[in-house]
Amino acid sequence: DTEVTQTPKHLVMGMTNKKSLKCEQHMGHRAMYWYKQKAKKPPELMFVYSYEKLSINESVPSRFSPECPNSSLLNLHLHALQPEDSALYLCASSQETATGYTFGSGTRLTVV
Amino acid sequence: QKEVEQNSGPLSVPEGAIASLNCTYSDRVSQSFFWYRQYSGKSPELIMSIYSNGDKEDGRFTAQLNKASQYVSLLIRDSQPSDSATYLCAVEGNTDKLIFGTGTRLQVFP
Repeated sequence: DTEVTQTPKHLVMGMTNKKSLKCEQHMGHRAMYWYKQKAKKPPELMFVYSYEKLSINESVPSRFSPECPNSSLLNLHLHALQPEDSALYLCASSQETATGYTFGSGTRLTVV
Repeated sequence: QKEVEQNSGPLSVPEGAIASLNCTYSDRVSQSFFWYRQYSGKSPELIMSIYSNGDKEDGRFTAQLNKASQYVSLLIRDSQPSDSATYLCAVEGNTDKLIFGTGTRLQVFP
C-alpha cells in the first residue's frame, strides 16, 4: 500500500459538474504536490504546498483549485472541466525535494 | 534546450541482457537525481536516487552520475519482462522542484 492515498481511483464527470480529488499523506512530509499526466507524456506540475505556502503553476486554468485543510491533506477541486482535462492526476509528497517524491496511485479522470 | 532530456525509445532488449537508459540535464547546479519506473496506467515509483559522481548500485539497478558532463544513466542487469515500463529521469531544479524528462519506454522480450 502506498503511503500517499488518493481517492477516487477513477472519476467520470460532465463538463458542468463539480467534483473533488482527495490526497492524504501519512509520512509527516512537509510538501505536497499535484501533477497532471497525459498519455505518453511526463507529469506536469500543477500545484505545490510547502511550508504552509501554496504555489501555483500559472499555466493551470482556474477551473482547478487546490485546498489544503492541514499539512497532510491536499485536495483538488474541479469545476467546469473540458474534455482535454481528461488525464491521470497524481498527488505526491516529500520531506525535501532532495530526497525525491512519493507518488500516490493516481486518479484517472475522464471528462465527458 | 529542454531541461531534462531522454530518448523516448522504445528501447528493446532481450531477457537477461543489460538495459542502458540515459538522461542529460541543463542546470549545472542540480544536486539530486532520480529514476522513476512507471507501468502503463500506474503512478511513478522511485527506484534509484543519486547525489554524487560515480556509480550507485541497488540489486540489479546501477545509477551513474557525471556532473561535469551533466549526464545520468540507469543500468538494469539481467533484464526481465517485468522491467518493461517507462523510466522517468528527474532532476532537482533550482526552484526546489523536480523536473521530469519525457521518459524512455523499455521493452524486454523473452
